[in-house]
Amino acid sequence: DGGITQSPKYLFRKEGQNVTLSCEQNLNHDAMYWYRQDPGQGLRLIYYSQIVNDFQKGDIAEGYSVSREKKESFPLTVTSAQKNPTAFYLCASSPDRGHTEAFFGQGTRLTVV
Amino acid sequence: KNQVEQSPQSLIILEGKNCTLQCNYTVSPFSNLRWYKQDTGRGPVSLTIMTFSENTKSNGRYTATLDADTKQSSLHITASQLSDSASYICVVDRGGYNKLIFGAGTRLAVHP
Repeated sequence: DGGITQSPKYLFRKEGQNVTLSCEQNLNHDAMYWYRQDPGQGLRLIYYSQIVNDFQKGDIAEGYSVSREKKESFPLTVTSAQKNPTAFYLCASSPDRGHTEAFFGQGTRLTVV
Repeated sequence: KNQVEQSPQSLIILEGKNCTLQCNYTVSPFSNLRWYKQDTGRGPVSLTIMTFSENTKSNGRYTATLDADTKQSSLHITASQLSDSASYICVVDRGGYNKLIFGAGTRLAVHP
């Protein structure tokens, strides 16, 4: 069954902790993306990766870090430097250059407790 | 400023009725415009993608229109079903990896 899988679905973080959100795809897509979704706002791009071992900052990269060691995986770490991390995080992938068609995962809801 | 504005913010309709959602954009350059459906707590799913030369595109009961001159798009839902209850997001692609501009979405509730 091809697709893009995010885990966990829900995640709780204490103040000052780093947490890592998982994103795996078996669609053989080169490009992968992380977005943040807040109520009443459009999705905002955190990081994207065009190819293995390469990634670029999006519009709101501060307080986040990523890695792309494998084509299938693009984990996102929310660090303690992110002052307002509570949000819904979406991972996406696209098959070719230019983001022609983006496929989204089911999301991870992160809450700071 | 590159922006995508959607209206209304929310909408309630009765099952079986039609509705139209609006999207106005001030994005340049323009590569394509997309409509996504997002169920609560889930990831968005693509409904349609339209390029500059396409005026209308259908996907079942969903029909999207695009007027590139006035920079407006609409999504028309015919004979609504309870399962149509979701947020509908308009997205304009400027072309490139980091060039998607997302609207805030219209939240549609279909009541029996």
